[in-house]
Amino acid sequence: ILNVEQSPQSLHVQEGDSTNFTCSFPSSNFYALHWYRWETAKSPEALFVMTLNGDEKKKGRISATLNTKEGYSYLYIKGSQPEDSATYLCASINQAGTALIFGKGTTLSVSS
Amino acid sequence: KAGVTQTPRYLIKTRGQQVTLSCSPISGHRSVSWYQQTPGQGLQFLFEYFSETQRNKGNFPGRFSGRQFSNSRSEMNVSTLELGDSALYLCASSLSPQGAQSPLHFGNGTRLTVT
Repeated sequence: ILNVEQSPQSLHVQEGDSTNFTCSFPSSNFYALHWYRWETAKSPEALFVMTLNGDEKKKGRISATLNTKEGYSYLYIKGSQPEDSATYLCASINQAGTALIFGKGTTLSVSS
Repeated sequence: KAGVTQTPRYLIKTRGQQVTLSCSPISGHRSVSWYQQTPGQGLQFLFEYFSETQRNKGNFPGRFSGRQFSNSRSEMNVSTLELGDSALYLCASSLSPQGAQSPLHFGNGTRLTVT
């Protein structure tokens, strides 16, 4: 069974700080890695879908990198803003084509 | 384009009853997946349907079942409800089956409380 781990579990930063968190997944038979942002009272929203080793994707102040050989992905937020406060979820799927398995998430709180 | 719609938003049931949750995917999306979220747990995969066929099923008891209709709308049924079934149930649709590269689009969820 695919096991996806995220760290830290929660994080509190000040407005303007840059931050990053980690998603670890089994590297064998890797197929794709997803990142989602889940704001309170809303539904999870896709940020990135990544498949290639060494890939880096960017969306505004948020970027992500992928290392499929060692089985990790980093999500970076540059100059955090209060509106970045949310739970960030990663999910991985292997080549067997089984389900997209989610980690428990990293909850980010940004204070102004 | 309308998003993923889940009904009802909130539901209160008693132990032993059964419940049916509904999910209407984004128009054109043929894959519908269901996830359960409980406090302290991540999103736990229940099942995925694509073109009316169940592609994958998570590690849940047989009391949890689902189906998908020809218009891609999906329903999830839980029979003989237990207190531990209290959770947020999220539905997500995508253009392609899980395992392709399309992201999931989530609904707002159904909050089920079992008393």
